[in-house]
Amino acid sequence: DAGITQSPRHKVTETGTPVTLRCHQTENHRYMYWYRQDPGHGLRLIHYSYGVKDTDKGEVSDGYSVSRSKTEDFLLTLESATSSQTSVYFCAIRDDDRSYNEQFFGPGTRLTVL
Amino acid sequence: QQQVKQSPQSLIVQKGGISIINCAYENTAFDYFPWYQQFPGKGPALLIAIRPDVSEKKEGRFTISFNKSAKQFSLHIMDSQPGDSATYFCAARTGGSQGNLIFGKGTKLSVKP
Repeated sequence: DAGITQSPRHKVTETGTPVTLRCHQTENHRYMYWYRQDPGHGLRLIHYSYGVKDTDKGEVSDGYSVSRSKTEDFLLTLESATSSQTSVYFCAIRDDDRSYNEQFFGPGTRLTVL
Repeated sequence: QQQVKQSPQSLIVQKGGISIINCAYENTAFDYFPWYQQFPGKGPALLIAIRPDVSEKKEGRFTISFNKSAKQFSLHIMDSQPGDSATYFCAARTGGSQGNLIFGKGTKLSVKP
C-alpha cells in the first residue's frame, strides 16, 4: 500500500471554516500529490510537491494551499471551505525506484462541506 | 490537448465475457499510460501500464492495447469475473521531470454472475 496514510478519513464541516487534510508517507518519496475525485470528473490534480518546501499548482488549485515542511508529510488546506469543495481527496506518492515512476494512492478522505 | 477521453461511462458484462474500455488522447508528448482500478471506498490501485513504444502488454487476464498512430489505448479484461466489478480509470503522463498524470473520467464496470 506504499505506506500512505491520510487523516482524517471522514470530515464534515461548515462553509467558511478552515480545514486541513494530512497525508503521511513512510518511504521517503520525493514526489507527493493531492487529487480530488468527483463523480463525472475522474481524478483532478490540486497541488503537488517535489521536495520539502517545493510545491506547484495543478489543474484545480483555486481555494487550496499546501505545505510540506517534512519529507513524510504533505498538508492540504482549505482556507475557507465552500460547498463546491465537498469531494473525496486522495494523496499519492511517486515511486522513483520503479521503472515507470509509478504513482500510488492513499485511502482517501471524504470531506463534506455543509 | 491535455485531456484523456474515456468510454464508456458504464459497462455491464456477463461473467466470463470480455470487458473493453477505451481511451483517447491528443498530446503526443504523453510518455506513459497507466490504468487504475478502484473499489468503492478505496483509493485507486495501479493495475497495468504501458509505454508508447509498445503495442500491447498483458498481465494475467488484463491486456492493454496501444495504437500510437490513432492516439488510442484500451483495457481488455478477459474472462471477466464479478470480483472485477469496479471503476477503472485510464491516465496519461505528461513528459518531463514533473510528469503529472491526466486521468480519464472513469468507467464503472459491473460483471453479472
